[in-house]
Amino acid sequence: SAVISQKPSRDICQRGTSLTIQCQVDSQVTMMFWYRQQPGQSLTLIATANQGSEATYESGFVIDKFPISRPNLTFSTLTVSNMSPEDSSIYLCSVGTGGIGTEAFFGQGTRLTVV
Amino acid sequence: GESVGLHLPTLSVQEGDNSIINCAYSNSASDYFIWYKQESGKGPQFIIDIRSNMDKRQGQRVTVLLNKTVKHLSLQIAATQPGDSAVYFCAENNYGQNFVFGPGTRLSVLP
Repeated sequence: SAVISQKPSRDICQRGTSLTIQCQVDSQVTMMFWYRQQPGQSLTLIATANQGSEATYESGFVIDKFPISRPNLTFSTLTVSNMSPEDSSIYLCSVGTGGIGTEAFFGQGTRLTVV
Repeated sequence: GESVGLHLPTLSVQEGDNSIINCAYSNSASDYFIWYKQESGKGPQFIIDIRSNMDKRQGQRVTVLLNKTVKHLSLQIAATQPGDSAVYFCAENNYGQNFVFGPGTRLSVLP
């Protein structure tokens, strides 16, 4: 298993600003992912955070809007840039420890409200 | 603030009864499935998993059934308790590194 800490747990931000969310894992993990969960909806994958290289983004998500860093095997950040009220969501960090086709663990999420 | 799953389908059951939550998955090539439980203000928590070479798997008070013919998963919770109240998601994985989540079902346990 893995213990995942996300910061901040929640924030209220002004439109046009940016917020960086941090994800810290208590052990080295091979895979790290960022998901978005809009109000009342399911989870949607934003991107896979790759250590030492650019993140892999899913359709509908772009690096300019959601830049991601992953400097090592235990840490990643997701930035939500130039925010608008439509970006109000829960953002979740997820990690995989056992390779392809094994359990994914989630942080508690960051609840973002853009006003 | 708005709770997770506010607009999701809701299943209401009496405490002590059995619950069955259903999920239709999208990819016939998916080979690994997980049921997650998400309580308000928390991230999804692993409940039980199943691989595509199985059709049933049992845990403590929970059973997952997989029907690949119709691409259907179900989660059965025995003797449902108030602590089981949450939103439940199925997630599928296709030899990849990430999971695709179903729409979710809110389980409400009535006293």
